Amino acid sequence: DSGVTQTPKHLITATGQRVTLRCSPRSGDLSVYWYQQSLDQGLQFLIHYYNGEERAKGNILERFSAQQFPDLHSELNLSSLELGDSALYFCASSVADSDSSYEQYFGPGTRLTVT
Amino acid sequence: GQSLEQPSEVTAVEGAIVQINCTYQTSGFYGLSWYQQHDGGAPTFLSYNALDGLEETGRFSSFLSRSDSYGYLLLQELQMKDSASYFCAVKTDNAGNMLTFGGGTRLMVKP
Repeated sequence: DSGVTQTPKHLITATGQRVTLRCSPRSGDLSVYWYQQSLDQGLQFLIHYYNGEERAKGNILERFSAQQFPDLHSELNLSSLELGDSALYFCASSVADSDSSYEQYFGPGTRLTVT
Repeated sequence: GQSLEQPSEVTAVEGAIVQINCTYQTSGFYGLSWYQQHDGGAPTFLSYNALDGLEETGRFSSFLSRSDSYGYLLLQELQMKDSASYFCAVKTDNAGNMLTFGGGTRLMVKP
């Protein structure tokens, strides 16, 4: 158990819908990262937040957005869902945001199925 | 663009040694990490190399050659529980902590 929690574990929804995935980092960690893992694309970095501020953005679609709240939990919002958005979404956390925190701790993931 | 190449699959027997290679071409390089992921599980951190050379952690070692844009993960005294996917990942920025992952190597350990 990494100490990172994600809810829900599974989510099934229809195309065109909007969902929110939630992540709570390990106690004391200020950075939160979101990743998408699908069979054909592998593990893709989406976005990184540090202490409430966006620090880095990967190939995140415009239909996707995220935020980190003052209590450091984070939410990933996915809208206008398409079949291709079906994937495992991981949240990870680390202590800081640069050299001192190369180790990222991954949560159990949310499996999203779009039908 | 960014690319990390690693073999898709490796098979070895219990007790043996296996090496998983990773070559990378990225716009920035600040370190190479290795993660292990069991089926249905989350990636877990194994090792990190920022400088050239070998890092050893128990049965696992990781090597980096920055001049060759190459690294490997060495697993010794293989156990059945080592059957998993192994991902190399490059830290590509220093302002943040963005990781670019390779496609993963599926390791099957046979008795």
